[in-house]
Amino acid sequence: LAKTTQPISMDSYEGQEVNITCSHNNIATNDYITWYQQFPSQGPRFIIQGYKTKVTNEVASLFIPADRKSSTLSLPRVSLSDTAVYYCLVGDPASGGSYIPTFGRGTSLIVHP
Amino acid sequence: GAGVSQTPSNKVTEKGKYVELRCDPISGHTALYWYRQSLGQGPEFLIYFQGTGAADDSGLPNDRFFAVRPEGSVSTLKIQRTERGDSAMYLCASSPWTAGANVLTFGAGSRLTVL
Repeated sequence: LAKTTQPISMDSYEGQEVNITCSHNNIATNDYITWYQQFPSQGPRFIIQGYKTKVTNEVASLFIPADRKSSTLSLPRVSLSDTAVYYCLVGDPASGGSYIPTFGRGTSLIVHP
Repeated sequence: GAGVSQTPSNKVTEKGKYVELRCDPISGHTALYWYRQSLGQGPEFLIYFQGTGAADDSGLPNDRFFAVRPEGSVSTLKIQRTERGDSAMYLCASSPWTAGANVLTFGAGSRLTVL
């Protein structure tokens, strides 16, 4: 299973763009990159998933370079409510039972007024 | 239901007691996962069900922990002879498990405190 590395914590201010980078040097050909967000006392919530290049939805963008050894979650114009822990996961979602979504410690983002 | 429902939301028990935690997944989701999360850590995998059967229980820490999903919907995580180290947030997630997706929807969790 590809191991992921991401910063333990980040600080930002309201209205700024936040980029959280995740390293996954051992990503396999069929692996997808998935990001989850978790607020205190809640379960993680799916944000975005991608395989290569760029994916955008109403919440975030995910940038994946050609070598796929890293990925960057971009949150545009953050607000205080974006304060949360963000997890980067890598795995082959089509592999059925052999893919168990594995969470690391995540990146704790604190947005300041 | 509209989301994954977990009960109870909070459970306080004494060391040595038996505890059951319930998870009601999204209707139609065949895959169900249990995770445990301690403060400051990410969710730690416990067990995964595909339908009624436990497809992977490699994350269960010891034989005091057991989970069932008898009809392929609701699941119960059972902890015998609880220890203080079992105190954590227990999270359940479900997924429709369609190829190429496998996005998990989590419940709000059951916080277990063992005194």
